[in-house]
Amino acid sequence: ETGVTQTPRHLVMGMTNKKSLKCEQHLGHNAMYWYKQSAKKPLELMFVYSLEERVENNSVPSRFSPECPNSSHLFLHLHTLQPEDSALYLCASSQDPGRAYNEQFFGPGTRLTVL
Amino acid sequence: LAKTTQPISMDSYEGQEVNITCSHNNIATNDYITWYQQFPSQGPRFIIQGYKTKVTNEVASLFIPADRKSSTLSLPRVSLSDTAVYYCLVVPEGGYNKLIFGAGTRLAVHP
Repeated sequence: ETGVTQTPRHLVMGMTNKKSLKCEQHLGHNAMYWYKQSAKKPLELMFVYSLEERVENNSVPSRFSPECPNSSHLFLHLHTLQPEDSALYLCASSQDPGRAYNEQFFGPGTRLTVL
Repeated sequence: LAKTTQPISMDSYEGQEVNITCSHNNIATNDYITWYQQFPSQGPRFIIQGYKTKVTNEVASLFIPADRKSSTLSLPRVSLSDTAVYYCLVVPEGGYNKLIFGAGTRLAVHP
C-alpha cells in the first residue's frame, strides 16, 4: 500500500464509450502524474500536474483528458479510444515538485482493455 | 534528459548478490541517479537515489564513480521475491521530477 489508490482496477470499454479513471493520494503531495504502460513498451509519461496546474502534456491524443480538481485527486477521462490504447494506466504522486529528492509513489494501476 | 543504458535481463540464484550496472554518459551536473523496481501488474516502487559515491539503505546500495557516467545497483542476498524489473533513471534537480523510463533490467531469481 503506497498511499495512492486507483479505481477501477480493471476496465473494459468499447471504442464509443466514455469512462473515467480515478486516482487519489493520501500523502499530502503537491504533484500528480499519469503514465501509460503498454505491453513490451516502457512506461510513458502522459500528464503532470503540479499544484493542480497541468505542467506537462506529453503529446497525448485529445481522446485522453486529464482533470485535477484538487491536489489529492486526479482523473483521466477517456472517450472514443482505440484498441491500441489498451494498457496499464498508472497514477503517481510526489511531494514538493521543486526539490531534487522527489520520490514518486505509484498506485496499483488500472488495466484498460478497449474492444 | 540523460539517456540510460542497462542490460535487458539478468539471472541469479537465491542468496547471491546481484549488481546491475547502468550507463548514463551524458549525465548533467545537477542530475540525480534513481532506481525503481516494478513487479508485474503493479506500479514502480522507488528503491534508492544518489548523486555520487555510495548510498546504502535497507534494500540496496548504489555505487556511483567519480565521473558519474555509470552507476551500479547492488542487491545483497536476493530472494525469489526480488524477481522484478529494475529501472535506472537520471532525474534533473528541481522541477516537477519528470521521470523517463527505459526498458529496464528484468531480473529473474531462481531457487
